[in-house]
Amino acid sequence: VQLVESGGGLVQPGGSLRLSCAASGFTFSNYWVAWVRQAPGKGLEWVANIKQDGSEKNYVASVKGRFTISRDNAKNSLFLQMNSLRVEDTAVYYCARDQPAMSYWGQGVLVTVSS
Amino acid sequence: QYVLTQTPSASGTPGQRVTISCSGSSSNIGRNFVNWYQQLPGTAPKLLMYSNAQRPSGVPDRFSGSKSGTSGSLAISGLQSEDEADYYCAAWDDSLNNWVFGGGTKLTVL
Repeated sequence: VQLVESGGGLVQPGGSLRLSCAASGFTFSNYWVAWVRQAPGKGLEWVANIKQDGSEKNYVASVKGRFTISRDNAKNSLFLQMNSLRVEDTAVYYCARDQPAMSYWGQGVLVTVSS
Repeated sequence: QYVLTQTPSASGTPGQRVTISCSGSSSNIGRNFVNWYQQLPGTAPKLLMYSNAQRPSGVPDRFSGSKSGTSGSLAISGLQSEDEADYYCAAWDDSLNNWVFGGGTKLTVL
């Protein structure tokens, strides 16, 4: 099982960024998948997850209306569109295979929101 | 800040047994399984225990988990230097429709 995130970088407050996660080594379409973030020196915070067919999505309150999770099962890929970014969104973002636990994690990608 | 409560730090000497606790509520641990994650310095988290007491393949049996009411526990016996890491508990919260985490426990092997 391998999960590889990409798309991170430096963005100004109010800006947008799209993260991608390429999955391999398992049948991607059979699993929920999630995004989890970790601010510098802080603990883990679950951000969002999405059902196998994309029909159900859940978000943490702090990103609702700003972030959108999506997936492309044909390309074994997970995405996180992040709009209206805030300084407090600065973190390493991990994608993870979800349910019944986050059983596999990517190496993470750093998102820095700063002027 | 964190829905689940963990003591920030724990320590032990090699060979000792240490226990890390995680306190929640009726909407999360009280209704759902507890999972535990280990994060070694500078690395991504790794699933250490799921469904309260199930070890994924490759996790030594020195690690054990339990749940009682609205609290979960992770025990590490025969402590080793390589166990020095941050440990996080997590559970699904039915009220928030979220995974919720504890703030993490930093384990130091003296």
